[in-house]
Amino acid sequence: DQQVKQNSPSLSVQEGRISILNCDYTNSMFDYFLWYKKYPAEGPTFLISISSIKDKNEDGRFTVFLNKSAKHLSLHIVPSQPGDSAVYFCAARVPSSNTGKLIFGQGTTLQVKP
Amino acid sequence: GAGVSQSPSNKVTEKGKDVELRCDPISGHTALYWYRQSLGQGLEFLIYFQGNSAPDKSGLPSDRFSAERTGGSVSTLTIQRTQQEDSAVYLCASSAQAYIDTQYFGPGTRLTVL
Repeated sequence: DQQVKQNSPSLSVQEGRISILNCDYTNSMFDYFLWYKKYPAEGPTFLISISSIKDKNEDGRFTVFLNKSAKHLSLHIVPSQPGDSAVYFCAARVPSSNTGKLIFGQGTTLQVKP
Repeated sequence: GAGVSQSPSNKVTEKGKDVELRCDPISGHTALYWYRQSLGQGLEFLIYFQGNSAPDKSGLPSDRFSAERTGGSVSTLTIQRTQQEDSAVYLCASSAQAYIDTQYFGPGTRLTVL
């Protein structure tokens, strides 16, 4: 039972254009969503997050949108840069556990071409 | 300051052997998590520590897996009688406080069971 899904395994965009990474979830009880970025041979690093009471959060070139009715969130990167090439994981926090454990999607590999 | 460190970075073992994976969290972080990433999959939660106790072990796949944390700091994940399906990258993360603070990940240990 995959509660967090990233249906696109990979995405390729041109430098300077917008990258849109998508994530769907099934559990309406999730209260907090995060995006992590991972380079090869490194651990995931936190990128941006959004509370379930909001529909948008922006941090520089990165914006996360949350559509609760559709159980869908997306990460927009504008403009995309070659250094953004990495694997992006969507994650959701499980509120009932009070532990902060995260449920992750399978990841989307983004390639930004110069 | 120093981030989360893990050792070894790579471990190759034979089926049936026991392995120990080590995690050094960020100093002062009370919450510690173990996740694993199998090939082509997202990160899968294994266990959560608050201080030296583990109130959530729900992700451990079998009784061959165990973990401990000492001094509220270093944690060791032990896999007994390893199987080929245990091959994965094992990631450790820590946060200042569970649930509300960002989880910071180590680089992971790549375990290969032959």
